[in-house]
Amino acid sequence: GAVVSQHPSRVICKSGTSVKIECRSLDFQATTMFWYRQFPKQSLMLMATSNEGSKATYEQGVEKDKFLINHASLTLSTLTVTSAHPEDSSFYICSARDLGQGIYEQYFGPGTRLTVT
Amino acid sequence: GDSVTQMEGPVTLSEEAFLTINCTYTATGYPSLFWYVQYPGEGLQLLLKATKADDKGSNKGFEATYRKETTSFHLEKGSVQVSDSAVYFCALTRVNAGKSTFGDGTTLTVKP
Repeated sequence: GAVVSQHPSRVICKSGTSVKIECRSLDFQATTMFWYRQFPKQSLMLMATSNEGSKATYEQGVEKDKFLINHASLTLSTLTVTSAHPEDSSFYICSARDLGQGIYEQYFGPGTRLTVT
Repeated sequence: GDSVTQMEGPVTLSEEAFLTINCTYTATGYPSLFWYVQYPGEGLQLLLKATKADDKGSNKGFEATYRKETTSFHLEKGSVQVSDSAVYFCALTRVNAGKSTFGDGTTLTVKP
């Protein structure tokens, strides 16, 4: 149980275009999902906290108009990188909390490698 | 604010060696503590957890004990294998904070 999927796993897009990444909890309901960006030196940077049915809470320094987050259902959150640029190339990882397991644990998706050319 | 400090890597060990990856934290209240593992090209997987002082989390031969007096949660394994090569993240979560705080990760390479 507690599986989180992400789609796509890899995406290459041209500079100026937008890319949508999906995060799904497959076998549990998640009122809260998190979006992270991972840099080449391994550090995991929290971008935003996504709550079902409400606006996402962005961390300081993250542009909310550039990284659009929607959490329309208890099993799906999406991250859209708008007007992507090469500096947005990164590994994006989502995670979700399983209410049935208590509020402490996060289950992570496999990540999406975004390359902007 | 909350913070997690991990031992800097990379760590390189021979197969069957003893592993310790240090983790200390700063947080108010009584956070839950976690170790996650990330294999190349993948997301993070929960390795083990402890939710209160003196709890010991264990999984796949790895162990970590929640030490409130030293605010530590060091990861140990008695005999590492090549398949343990990965990046290990220490993390904490406070109930009223919602989000988790992660350390910077420690890369472990085990050589045959």
